[in-house]
Amino acid sequence: GQNIDQPTEMTATEGAIVQINCTYQTSGFNGLFWYQQHAGEAPTFLSYNVLDGLEEKGRFSSFLSRSKGYSYLLLKELQMKDSASYLCAVSGHTGGFKTIFGAGTRLFVKA
Amino acid sequence: ETGVTQTPRHLVMGMTNKKSLKCEQHLGHNAMYWYKQSAKKPLELMFVYNFKEQTENNSVPSRFSPECPNSSHLFLHLHTLQPEDSALYLCASSGGSGRGQETQYFGPGTRLLVL
Repeated sequence: GQNIDQPTEMTATEGAIVQINCTYQTSGFNGLFWYQQHAGEAPTFLSYNVLDGLEEKGRFSSFLSRSKGYSYLLLKELQMKDSASYLCAVSGHTGGFKTIFGAGTRLFVKA
Repeated sequence: ETGVTQTPRHLVMGMTNKKSLKCEQHLGHNAMYWYKQSAKKPLELMFVYNFKEQTENNSVPSRFSPECPNSSHLFLHLHTLQPEDSALYLCASSGGSGRGQETQYFGPGTRLLVL
């Protein structure tokens, strides 16, 4: 089956760097996604990794190691508006391609 | 309109009511999804449609009835719901050419309260 683990909550300081980890188990790996979700709003797509390595997009970077079933989302120069939940999602093949979402990591950015 | 839209944004209904949620995507995608998100719980996949055909029903109670008349529109018909069905219902779409075509784009959601 498929399974995703990520920390429930994290706190960081404005201007700092924070790394949110995600470990997963799946068969037929087809990609890993990170989404940002502010309270009461819909998730918005941040990044997609299908090959090992780091993908950088502005202040956000996402890393993938397929052999370890591991990813992280790195947020630099944190801003107050980055306070949100960050969802790790994995696409795998279990009788058809299916994407499952982790429970999310709630990030609190403090001044 | 661009992206994925959902109506209504908020809905309050009694347990004996019948209502429908609507989703429309303007992204040319071929797959559409319904998710339920309850407080402090992961997104729960309910239904998946590919090219108007239902490809996933994640053991959803029959009081939730999806309808997909075409690749751009998706409905969720609700009847005789329970208070525990109160949640944020999210619609998403995916599909396209190239890398990351499984990336899902979400609508703003319908916040449902069942009294």
